[in-house]
Amino acid sequence: GQNIDQPTEMTATEGAIVQINCTYQTSGFNGLFWYQQHAGEAPTFLSYNVLDGLEEKGRFSSFLSRSKGYSYLLLKELQMKDSASYLCAVRVFDQAGTALIFGKGTTLSVSS
Amino acid sequence: GAVVSQHPSRVICKSGTSVKIECRSLDFQATTMFWYRQFPKKSLMLMATSNEGSKATYEQGVEKDKFLINHASLTLSTLTVTSAHPEDSSFYICSARDLAGGPYEQYFGPGTRLTVT
Repeated sequence: GQNIDQPTEMTATEGAIVQINCTYQTSGFNGLFWYQQHAGEAPTFLSYNVLDGLEEKGRFSSFLSRSKGYSYLLLKELQMKDSASYLCAVRVFDQAGTALIFGKGTTLSVSS
Repeated sequence: GAVVSQHPSRVICKSGTSVKIECRSLDFQATTMFWYRQFPKKSLMLMATSNEGSKATYEQGVEKDKFLINHASLTLSTLTVTSAHPEDSSFYICSARDLAGGPYEQYFGPGTRLTVT
């Protein structure tokens, strides 16, 4: 089966740094994605990792360790607008080709 | 670039009626489109994978006769919820894979909020 775990909720203050962890056990692996989703809206792409290591993109960084089935999303210099749900998704091979399997999402609340 | 639209954005229908949701890739060709549903405070659940010109592949537990998917062109896929019931009320999101490829895999539409009364 496919299993992706991430914390349900996290809180942080403006200007701080927060790390959202994601662990996965999937049948096959072809990349890990992080998405941001505001309530009632579609997810927007944040980052993509397919090789081990850190990918940095402005205030956001994402790390992957394939041997440990582990990833994290690091958000720096938090802003109020960063309050959202952050979804970890693993691309796997399935009967239709490839598909994204999503974790349940981590709701981040940023306070002033 | 890579814009995906959905129509309608919101729809309210009566129990027993059918509702069609359209998903369009506006500036790229999508051989594959995906349909997800999302319940409040839950993650996206893949319902089916739709390949242009062929039958959709449904995930386990998704009734193919209830959720009819058509992908007649490289820019349009439709999801029809037949004989809708209140438990079908959900947020339905489509995504499209760019034929040109690249690591971003899927571009998501803005979603359709379906409420069945």
